[in-house]
Amino acid sequence: DAGITQSPRHKVTETGTPVTLRCHQTENHRYMYWYRQDPGHGLRLIHYSYGVKDTDKGEVSDGYSVSRSKTEDFLLTLESATSSQTSVYFCAISEGSLGADTQYFGPGTRLTVL
Amino acid sequence: KNEVEQSPQNLTAQEGEFITINCSYSVGISALHWLQQHPGGGIVSLFMLSSGKKKHGRLIATINIQEKHSSLHITASHPRDSAVYICAVNGNQFYFGTGTSLTVIP
Repeated sequence: DAGITQSPRHKVTETGTPVTLRCHQTENHRYMYWYRQDPGHGLRLIHYSYGVKDTDKGEVSDGYSVSRSKTEDFLLTLESATSSQTSVYFCAISEGSLGADTQYFGPGTRLTVL
Repeated sequence: KNEVEQSPQNLTAQEGEFITINCSYSVGISALHWLQQHPGGGIVSLFMLSSGKKKHGRLIATINIQEKHSSLHITASHPRDSAVYICAVNGNQFYFGTGTSLTVIP
C-alpha cells in the first residue's frame, strides 16, 4: 500500500470556523490531489499540486485553498467552513500527471460542518 | 451534463456469477481508470488503460476508444467483491462517474 495518511480522519466543526486537513505521503510522488466525495456527484477535484509551491485549481475550488511547502505534505484549508462543505475528503498521489498515471488514495477525512 | 456515465447504478449478484459493469464517456480521453471503493470507504486503483484489454486475477477491463465505452468484468464473483466500482477518464479534465454499487450474495 502506498504510504498516504490523512489527518484528522473525522472532524466536526461549526459554520464560519477555519479548518485545515493534512495529507502526508512517504512515496516522494510529485503529484498530489484533494477530492471531495458527495452522494450523487462522485469524486470531484478541488485542487492539485505538481510540485512544491506549485498548485492549480480543480473543478470545485471555490472556498478552498491549498499549500505545499514540502514534497510530502499537501494541506487543504477551508478559510470559513460552510455546511455545503460537509463531505468526505480524499487525498491522492501519483508519480505522473493527473489522469495519466495510477493514483493512490488516502483513507479519507469525514468533515461535518454544523 | 455528466461526461462519464456508468451502468447499472446498483447490481446484486449471486456468488459465482459473471458480472459486467459499463462505462460510457462523452469526451476525448488519453486514459480510463477503474477504481474500487470498499464498504469502509477506502479507494483502490484497479486498472488504467488506453486501449484493448487488461486482466488482473478475476478482473478484466476492456476499452473501445471509437465507441467511447469501457467494461469491467468480474469472473466467478465472490462476496468480497462487494464494493462500489468507479470509472474515471482523463480528458481535458479528470472526470469521475458516480459509481456502480455491487453486492455479491453468498
